[in-house]
Amino acid sequence: NAGVTQTPKFQVLKTGQSMTLQCAQDMNHEYMSWYRQDPGMGLRLIHYSVGAGITDQGEVPNGYNVSRSTTEDFPLRLLSAAPSQTSVYFCASSYSYLPGGEKLFFGSGTQLSVL
Amino acid sequence: DAKTTQPPSMDCAEGRAANLPCNHSTISGNEYVYWYRQIHSQGPQYIIHGLKNNETNEMASLIITEDRKSSTLILPHATLRDTAVYYCIVRVADIGGAGSYQLTFGKGTKLSVIP
Repeated sequence: NAGVTQTPKFQVLKTGQSMTLQCAQDMNHEYMSWYRQDPGMGLRLIHYSVGAGITDQGEVPNGYNVSRSTTEDFPLRLLSAAPSQTSVYFCASSYSYLPGGEKLFFGSGTQLSVL
Repeated sequence: DAKTTQPPSMDCAEGRAANLPCNHSTISGNEYVYWYRQIHSQGPQYIIHGLKNNETNEMASLIITEDRKSSTLILPHATLRDTAVYYCIVRVADIGGAGSYQLTFGKGTKLSVIP
């Protein structure tokens, strides 16, 4: 199994451009989420999904959109990139969102720079 | 979710046990304690979690005090590959509505294993 796959690994954008960060998991996990990590900081939750067709906002959702049309995929869209969105983005999934089931599997990350 | 307090950094000699403390004095009775680690620039990795009882798996042991206000992650024989940032997270066990399912990562403890 590939686990959680994120693409691309690196991306440079200009301010105002839009793009989609891809995340796919092959473990049939219910729960998927997106985090961002800034230098010297912990991870902050952007959006999450507890199943296909269900998404919700995390701690820092502004400037990002998500959708969950399939169990496997959970893309993160930057609508109009800003320098403040320069960060490393991690996608994570777990088999359940129920208490005790939150063994998150993380992807390898996407390093995004917005100039 | 209850707040957690961890020392920013610790050193441990290779081959010795690494004991990483975490204070969660505001924890409530239904909140789980989770530990993850992040090896340089990789996605975080799940280590262990528990509610009340001590737990052990192939990676580590988790010791939770009787009053549940603190816990200790023990890596029994630290190796250089255990050098990482370790995150202690407390999450409510109730299945709430939207927004209740979030794992909040703080800044963690940077563990350096010294040869």
